[in-house]
Formats: sequence, C-alpha cells, structure tokens
Amino acid sequence: QLQLQQSGPGLVKPSETLSLTCTVSGGSISSTTNYWGWIRQPPGKGLDWIGNVFYTGATYYNPSLKRRVTISVDASKNQFSLNLTSVTAADTAFYYCARVSFYFDSDVSSYHYYYFDYWGQGTLVTVSS
Amino acid sequence: QSVLTQPPSASATPGQRVTIFCSGGSSNIGSHTINWYQQVPGTAPKLLIYSNYQRPSGVPDRFSGSKSGTSASLAISGLQSEDEAYYYCATWDGSLNGPVFGGGTKLTVL
Repeated sequence: QLQLQQSGPGLVKPSETLSLTCTVSGGSISSTTNYWGWIRQPPGKGLDWIGNVFYTGATYYNPSLKRRVTISVDASKNQFSLNLTSVTAADTAFYYCARVSFYFDSDVSSYHYYYFDYWGQGTLVTVSS
Repeated sequence: QSVLTQPPSASATPGQRVTIFCSGGSSNIGSHTINWYQQVPGTAPKLLIYSNYQRPSGVPDRFSGSKSGTSASLAISGLQSEDEAYYYCATWDGSLNGPVFGGGTKLTVL
C-alpha cells in the first residue's frame, strides 16, 4: 500500500522560507503515470493546489504562487519537497502532499483524467514571529 | 471564491439518501472528468469518486457520482453517522491550467 509521510517544521517566521518534504513508501516516485503534488488548506477553509512535480523534475505551479514556489524531486530517496519563500500570515495552512494519477491525451492536448489518489497526513504550518 | 460551486451545507437522517451538487463551467467540468473527496475534520482528504463515477477500492457502493454538462453530483444512500464530513468536488481547468476544487459541503447526519 502506497504511503506518503510528510516532515518539516510547523512554525515559520514571516519573510522566511517554508520547507516540507514528502517521503513515498510502498511504490516508486519514478512512475510515468503519476505526478507528485502539494495542496494547502487554510484552517476552516477549502483546498488549494500549490503545484506538482514529475519524476523527471518537470514542474507545474499554481500561477498565483508560482513566483514563490519551488517543488523538487529526489528519486534516489523517493522523496519530493516544497519550498515556499517570503511567507506571510496568509500562508498559514495545513499542507498536504499527494500523488496525482493522470492520463494526458496528446491528440487533444488535454487530461483524460487527473485526480489525487493518495495523500500525506498533513502538516499545519503556522507563520508567526 | 472557488472556481467550482457547492452548497456550504447539507443534512439528512441516518438511512436517507442525500445528493451534493457541484457547478462549474465549460473549461472545467464541461471538458474534464470530476472527482470527489471526503474529509473528516482533523484528517487528510480521501479520494471518494474519480473519473465521474468510479469508486476506489474500499469505497462502499452507497457512494455514487454523476456528471451532466457543466454540473456534477455526489449521491450517498443509506446514510450513516460516519458519513458526516466535508465533501469536495474537483477537476482540471483548461483555462487556469491546473486542478480546481469546490468550496466544500459540510454534511451533517442528524
């Protein structure tokens, strides 16, 4: 059974960088049919996609966060990581890592399916001095 | 403001059937398959329905999904107390070039 285990600090100071890591077990991160993504959820609010990484290192980011986000992959450790720079109180949220299963139909340049099927346990990251 | 629109709340008594609706547009639900997630407070979301109506292994057949045009729905029959949770619809948005979520519906089992 695939499992995603998150690690990283729960408290980050304003203007600093939020860093989280997700370790994948029970399967390989080097899959051609999966992305590895990050989603966040401010307390009491809904879900927002942050971005994904493919095992090759290719990345896809939410345009609203693109300037501050870096997602990277380390296939040798079966891990992927999130860095979010210049954080403010508005970045306080539960952060989740997740596996994305997808099929991209190149004939129509569109996803036939795309869903988050395995999730990490979540990390509450509070931005405060 | 979420790209996909869901009612903020729904309620029903044990044993009843409840339906949660999700509304979008041509660039998201109208063009791509819909997924549903269940989130019990204090836990991570869980995939409940994918590709409009498919259930992952372990999800009871009391849960069913459908899609028509730019709207989708999640139906739960034989409601149980453990179904009390938040339910989110989600899909790909071709205009925004990323996945989008509904604002979530809090289901209360009375």
